[in-house]
Amino acid sequence: DVKVTQSSRYLVKRTGEKVFLECVQDMDHENMFWYRQDPGLGLRLIYFSYDVKMKEKGDIPEGYSVSREKKERFSLILESASTNQTSMYLCASSFPGNGYTFGSGTRLTVV
Amino acid sequence: QKEVEQNSGPLSVPEGAIASLNCTYSDRGSQSFFWYRQYSGKSPELIMFIYSNGDKEDGRFTAQLNKASQYVSLLIRDSQPSDSATYLCAVTPTGNQFYFGTGTSLTVIP
Repeated sequence: DVKVTQSSRYLVKRTGEKVFLECVQDMDHENMFWYRQDPGLGLRLIYFSYDVKMKEKGDIPEGYSVSREKKERFSLILESASTNQTSMYLCASSFPGNGYTFGSGTRLTVV
Repeated sequence: QKEVEQNSGPLSVPEGAIASLNCTYSDRGSQSFFWYRQYSGKSPELIMFIYSNGDKEDGRFTAQLNKASQYVSLLIRDSQPSDSATYLCAVTPTGNQFYFGTGTSLTVIP
């Protein structure tokens, strides 16, 4: 069974902390994505990657960075967490041309 | 800006009825179209995809695509309470990055 695993289901962090969200896929997918999902705003793309060490900004990259040192792992970094980054974060991966497989999500609360 | 529009609902149908979910998109170059189902508190899961004009059936689900009208729909026949969820339409022009609608909330009433 193919899987995209996100390291934490729920996370509470303090304002100003550096936060790491990890995503690992076991399907040998080239493409990996980070989205955040907020009520009424839908899924918004933060960053994506089509290859190891490659990264591209999505629609809302401000305040975030990413790392993809290995094909199976794509990490999202909140450089200095703020309360407006409280959200559900979803990682997804895919082969080109195929639909996404999503991870189970990380609900991050910044206090 | 590549836009995907969905009626947010909520859409309510009685058990056993047909639920019709609609989606329009702005990018005429879009090639692939996907429907995801998302239960409350869960992540989206892929239920259907369609590439060509016309209908594609999979069990109780039928996806319909009309590229000339830039319109894609999902029909759910014999709706069940377990179909109650938010349905997301996703469109891609390149096969790599997808653009999502904000979703339609469906409630199937027993």
